[in-house]
Amino acid sequence: EVQLVESGGGLVQPGGSLRLSCSASGFSLRSYAMHWVRQTPGKGLEYISAISGDGGTTYYADSVKGRFTVSRDNSRNTLFLQMSSLRADDTAFYYCVKVRGTGPNSWFDHWGQGTLVTVSS
Amino acid sequence: EIVLTQSPGTLSFSPGERATLSCRASQSVSRNYLAWYQQKPGQAPRVLIFGASSRASGTPDRFSGSGSGTDFTLTISRLEPEDFAVYYCQQYATSPWTFGQGTKVDI
Repeated sequence: EVQLVESGGGLVQPGGSLRLSCSASGFSLRSYAMHWVRQTPGKGLEYISAISGDGGTTYYADSVKGRFTVSRDNSRNTLFLQMSSLRADDTAFYYCVKVRGTGPNSWFDHWGQGTLVTVSS
Repeated sequence: EIVLTQSPGTLSFSPGERATLSCRASQSVSRNYLAWYQQKPGQAPRVLIFGASSRASGTPDRFSGSGSGTDFTLTISRLEPEDFAVYYCQQYATSPWTFGQGTKVDI
């Protein structure tokens, strides 16, 4: 059974940093591109980042480009999202998402349960 | 960036009724790489439809997707109580992989 478990969320001050992790099980992480999607409480979904299976190609939404860095450790079946220069509008649930195919252009077939990041002083 | 517009924001139905949800893209979605997701309160989204019209594993056959190019539709033939949720469309043809703002199907 595919499982994605995010961790690392919490309360952080504006301008601060946080690193999210996503532990994957039930499949070989290296075979799939992965995405991060966030959702402001009570609002819609926003794609923020993606990474190819080998980690060689990364993608970012304009809203986080230059502040967030996605990476992966396939040997540990773990995906990461390093977030810096955090702002109040980064407050959201962050989901780790697996795609169905090997490349990033595929539908999102499994989602983690999400981890809440709150940016506030 | 492909902007997806879902309208209206909320639809109200009774169980047993047919629901039709719309998703319009600002430009053509290549290869009909359009998915629909269902999200219930306190849960992560789950995929219902991919490739505009293919049901994902576990999706009941009362859910169907149609459309191509810039206009897509999700139809729920007979609403069950568990279908009252928020539905999002998403294009996965090109980065950034954008979502519509969602349609809430309400009782």
